[in-house]
Amino acid sequence: AQTVTQSQPEMSVQEAETVTLSCTYDTSESNYYLFWYKQPPSRQMILVIRQEAYKQQNATENRFSVNFQKAAKSFSLKISDSQLGDTAMYFCAFISNFGGTSYGKLTFGQGTILTVHP
Amino acid sequence: NAGVTQTPKFRVLKTGQSMTLLCAQDMNHEYMYWYRQDPGMGLRLIHYSVGEGTTAKGEVPDGYNVSRLKKQNFLLGLESAAPSQTSVYFCASSGQGPTEAFFGQGTRLTVV
Repeated sequence: AQTVTQSQPEMSVQEAETVTLSCTYDTSESNYYLFWYKQPPSRQMILVIRQEAYKQQNATENRFSVNFQKAAKSFSLKISDSQLGDTAMYFCAFISNFGGTSYGKLTFGQGTILTVHP
Repeated sequence: NAGVTQTPKFRVLKTGQSMTLLCAQDMNHEYMYWYRQDPGMGLRLIHYSVGEGTTAKGEVPDGYNVSRLKKQNFLLGLESAAPSQTSVYFCASSGQGPTEAFFGQGTRLTVV
């Protein structure tokens, strides 16, 4: 079974600064996908960024980027130029062997509450 | 352009009562899921469905039942609610292949 661990229950950052959220995972699969989801106070789950394990290049979406270390099974999220609207719970998530028997089932980490201060 | 819609958004139940949560998606997705979110535990999969008429157990299925009689709907039932089922419930759907999952707005359920 896969596990996803987020070891930082809470983080805070000043507006315009950079923050990194950590995530580690455990799997014996070689083909998998990793995601970061954002959950603002509205409770809506919003996909921030995703990474395919077979791609060596780190994914980037505007101010959000990841540091994917496959050998270390680490998948951290970097938020640059933090904005007040980035305040939210962030979840790291994993899908193994998408299209096979995983059927798109997500395994989530515990979540990290990020607060951006003005 | 509704995406995934859950009803109701909030509910308070007494121990032993039953209820059904409804999830509807308009994206013609094959796969649908029910997760529960609890503090410090992230989201955990309750049940899922890979197509109309199919259901399967997830990580925490006890105390819940599901049905998918129509492709666009996925129902989650609690036959006899317990305080341990107090949680926020999310429905999600996804297509086949490496596409993202789309989530509903969540249902906050309190069992007293």
